[in-house]
Amino acid sequence: AQKVTQAQTEISVVEKEDVTLDCVYETRDTTYYLFWYKQPPSGELVFLIRRNSFDEQNEISGRYSWNFQKSTSSFNFTITASQVVDSAVYFCALSEPSGSARQLTFGSGTQLTVLP
Amino acid sequence: EPEVTQTPSHQVTQMGQEVILHCVPISNHLYFYWYRQILGQKVEFLVSFYNNEISEKSEIFDDQFSVERPDGSNFTLKIRSTKLEDSAMYFCASRGEVNTEAFFGQGTRLTVV
Repeated sequence: AQKVTQAQTEISVVEKEDVTLDCVYETRDTTYYLFWYKQPPSGELVFLIRRNSFDEQNEISGRYSWNFQKSTSSFNFTITASQVVDSAVYFCALSEPSGSARQLTFGSGTQLTVLP
Repeated sequence: EPEVTQTPSHQVTQMGQEVILHCVPISNHLYFYWYRQILGQKVEFLVSFYNNEISEKSEIFDDQFSVERPDGSNFTLKIRSTKLEDSAMYFCASRGEVNTEAFFGQGTRLTVV
């Protein structure tokens, strides 16, 4: 069965520091999709990125970057020069073809607090 | 930008009462989902809906739960007889195609007292 582990429950950094959020997943499938979502204090889930299992290129979007390493089953998320507005819970999620509607399996989330 | 809309944002109900949570998915999407998040915990899958029927459901989605898409635009989650442990944030999500990202509504916070 699929599983997503976010070992870091809480991280606290000072503004402008870089921070990396770890995500490790388990799956028996060779085709799957990985996602990151942000949940700010207001509670909604905001989509950040989708990556398919065949695309191991790292991606950068502004201050955000993602490092997908299939060999270690990891999909880590780095925020460069963190800002107070980055404070949120960040969820990593996995979607597999074994679920016909490919529902998401979420990790337990990492609470990021960026201090001014 | 199209979005998933959920109503109400907060619902308080007495234990044993029926509650219906409402969602309007993005209009051209085909796959619909309900997830829940107990306070401070992870987001858990409840049920998926495609082609006017349930395609997958989790162990949480027992006989007390049901879903409907009554009119081609709304997607509802009904809990027949609420329990205290049903208190959670309930998220509706929709997808255009099965391999694309799911877009989530802002959630309905259900409090059972």
